[in-house]
Amino acid sequence: QSALTQPASVSGSPGQSITISCTGTSSDVGSYNFVSWYQQHPDKAPKLIIYEVTKRPSGVSNRFSGSKSGNTASLTISGLQAEDEADYYCCSFAARGKFGGGTKLTVL
Amino acid sequence: EVQLVESGGGLVQPGESLRLSCAASGFIFRNNWMTWVRQAPGKGLEWVADIKEDGSATSYVESVKGRFTVSRDNAKNSLYLQMDSLRAEDTAVYYCVRNLGWYNLQNWGQGTLVAVSS
Repeated sequence: QSALTQPASVSGSPGQSITISCTGTSSDVGSYNFVSWYQQHPDKAPKLIIYEVTKRPSGVSNRFSGSKSGNTASLTISGLQAEDEADYYCCSFAARGKFGGGTKLTVL
Repeated sequence: EVQLVESGGGLVQPGESLRLSCAASGFIFRNNWMTWVRQAPGKGLEWVADIKEDGSATSYVESVKGRFTVSRDNAKNSLYLQMDSLRAEDTAVYYCVRNLGWYNLQNWGQGTLVAVSS
């Protein structure tokens, strides 16, 4: 059982924006700016898309952005594209289990 | 280019052992924490173990403590996961991951499948 809570699924149409939340506690997400996000396509290894709450690794589209408010971190994907359909996981070093349960994004 | 290549997975019976290996290249291996993450079929990511740059510190998820041992050989740019007393619930794809600190999990291997079944 993850200490970080994510919605099981979200969906959006091409061109729209969606946000995936990741709720922890004041001891993990709320205390540190060390939340990362990973994208995983079926049968592929996860890929880092956001680290330290808001930073994007080189090569990651600027359509992906991260933020945090209190004990909840969020990943926003703007201008949805079909290729964004994947599972997304948040991660906090301080959280029990480290990872959220994952969110399946469906592009309608 | 950073590469992490896992090997050693396979089908074993409950109670048996396996040793996973991860060959690293394209970065200074001895300067990085390394992490093992696993994913059971159809399930989410689960952190398994970490090891410090020089191997002097390790940590494990509770469910594998006393059964799994993470180690590294910096001279060979290699990471290992010794898995003993395997259980059906250890069945998963195991990923070797470069950890840049604070769980900035920058690079992932392709994974190796471990299946535990009688």
